[in-house]
Amino acid sequence: EPEVTQTPSHQVTQMGQEVILRCVPISNHLYFYWYRQILGQKVEFLVSFYNNEISEKSEIFDDQFSVERPDGSNFTLKIRSTKLEDSAMYFCASSVWGGYYGYTFGSGTRLTVV
Amino acid sequence: AQTVTQSQPEMSVQEAETVTLSCTYDTSESDYYLFWYKQPPSRQMILVIRQEAYKQQNATENRFSVNFQKAAKSFSLKISDSQLGDAAMYFCAYNYGGSQGNLIFGKGTKLSVKP
Repeated sequence: EPEVTQTPSHQVTQMGQEVILRCVPISNHLYFYWYRQILGQKVEFLVSFYNNEISEKSEIFDDQFSVERPDGSNFTLKIRSTKLEDSAMYFCASSVWGGYYGYTFGSGTRLTVV
Repeated sequence: AQTVTQSQPEMSVQEAETVTLSCTYDTSESDYYLFWYKQPPSRQMILVIRQEAYKQQNATENRFSVNFQKAAKSFSLKISDSQLGDAAMYFCAYNYGGSQGNLIFGKGTKLSVKP
């Protein structure tokens, strides 16, 4: 069964450093998303991406965050200057039809900011 | 604003028994989609079941079924013949139906299955 692949599975970074989280969505999917889950809390929407542009973003997704689909297969989330409160599990997801049928999530990247 | 509420932080069930997880939501939309996701210790989010709001028939996927009460804005998940592998966090989620709409999640219910 096709999978959404996320790398790395765990990343530790120092506060203030830039990080790039990588995702390879399912190849025929058109809609891409990033969500995050702070330990013990609910899963929160960050951003959705369609047709090579951001279609929706949450209040969490401020100027420190950016997304890119550089080569037609990868979908990346960049955090420019990490803060301690950015420590969370970050999930990439993709979908063929958008929100109608639910998404396929990746296994997540655990980001730890020290 | 749309919200999703899961009032049971933790639930426990005996293996082979049936358990029901509760979810309520708040929306002014008439057309939307509801989901239950399972998150095992591996942390991956796995889609369990999906319900379209315009369909009166409750969705069923093998041992998993829902009780969708649109007027009451209630969307509970029933797991029949519970198995040890069902132990996980279960999240209820709402999508208002836009093709680019995002999912709004509840806080989750941790399900334990006792052998």
